[in-house]
Amino acid sequence: NAGVTQTPKFQVLKTGQSMTLQCAQDMNHEYMSWYRQDPGMGLRLIHYSVGAGITDQGEVPNGYNVSRSTTEDFPLRLLSAAPSQTSVYFCASSYSPTHSTDTQYFGPGTRLTVL
Amino acid sequence: AQTVTQSQPEMSVQEAETVTLSCTYDTSESDYYLFWYKQPPSRQMILVIRQEAYKQQNATENRFSVNFQKAAKSFSLKISDSQLGDAAMYFCAYRSIGSQGNLIFGKGTKLSVKP
Repeated sequence: NAGVTQTPKFQVLKTGQSMTLQCAQDMNHEYMSWYRQDPGMGLRLIHYSVGAGITDQGEVPNGYNVSRSTTEDFPLRLLSAAPSQTSVYFCASSYSPTHSTDTQYFGPGTRLTVL
Repeated sequence: AQTVTQSQPEMSVQEAETVTLSCTYDTSESDYYLFWYKQPPSRQMILVIRQEAYKQQNATENRFSVNFQKAAKSFSLKISDSQLGDAAMYFCAYRSIGSQGNLIFGKGTKLSVKP
């Protein structure tokens, strides 16, 4: 049981390049989400999914795309990277987020720098 | 929209002493969940403690306890017998009952522990 895994751990991009941040979980969780963490800003929700084929926007979705073709995977795509997307990205998952005892599990994060 | 405020960007505590981290939130909802997450230098987000708003009893987890004041919309974290390993960023987070799991985070408090 690997929990929530993210790849890569670090990435440097040039402005305008595209890339996909990978997130996978092996806990059969229905809910998955992406957050970004900027200095002094806490974590902010980018996109989330409540099951395969279902995605929705969070607080800061501009510049990012997501899809959920399987329960296990929830990739985050940057189509044309901008310096404002320099951040640490976290993926999280949980089994039943509306239940009071549900726990969200976070991945180790990806540090992305856009030059 | 709900907001979470952590008014202490940095705090310091002597090893073995007690420290309290503050968190206030704004919501019009009557039922919700509150959380404290710890983020050590490794970047991993670790759930410290949770509180259901409908429960009057304050949650406790070993050396960690909360002071939940629903009317004042306050949710402080008390760490007793502080240890060097407690040094980390601490984030307060809010989750609506119907939010499908999405967390709203405060900006965090950096806790230092002096030996």
